[in-house]
Amino acid sequence: AQTVTQSQPEMSVQEAETVTLSCTYDTSESDYYLFWYKQPPSRQMILVIRQEAYKQQNATENRFSVNFQKAAKSFSLKISDSQLGDAAMYFCAYRSKENTDKLIFGTGTRLQVFP
Amino acid sequence: DGGITQSPKYLFRKEGQNVTLSCEQNLNHDAMYWYRQDPGQGLRLIYYSQIVNDFQKGDIAEGYSVSREKKESFPLTVTSAQKNPTAFYLCASRFSNTEAFFGQGTRLTVV
Repeated sequence: AQTVTQSQPEMSVQEAETVTLSCTYDTSESDYYLFWYKQPPSRQMILVIRQEAYKQQNATENRFSVNFQKAAKSFSLKISDSQLGDAAMYFCAYRSKENTDKLIFGTGTRLQVFP
Repeated sequence: DGGITQSPKYLFRKEGQNVTLSCEQNLNHDAMYWYRQDPGQGLRLIYYSQIVNDFQKGDIAEGYSVSREKKESFPLTVTSAQKNPTAFYLCASRFSNTEAFFGQGTRLTVV
């Protein structure tokens, strides 16, 4: 069975600085999707970024980028120029392309942003 | 506007009662999911459905039941067999190979 691990329960960053959130996963599959979701205090889950395993290029969305290391099964999220609105819970998630309807989440990392 | 609607936002249940959480989507999505969120445990999958009249158990299905009679609707019933139902429940849906979209959640409390 696939698992997703986020080893950092909490992280903090100064406004305008850069922070990296870690995620590792375990799978025997070769093709799959990886996601980072943000959950602000409103508790609405918002997609931040997605990566397809067969694509070697790391995904980027404005200030958000990932470092996808397939062999190491690592999928970290880098937030550049951090803003106060980035403060939230961040969840890493895995979805198989073989069992395409099971979406598995890590336990989350709470990010605090200080002015 | 298209989206996923969960209701109610807050729900209180007496011990021994069954309660049903509603999830409706007008996005024409095929797959729908129910997750439970507890502090420090992320999102755990309860049930998911790929098509109408078909659904599969997730990792923590005991004490829960679902139905999928319409594409737009995927209600979750929390039965009296669920011993610790107090949690935040999230519904999501997905079309084909897109990412999942989430509702705003229901907070269930046992009183």
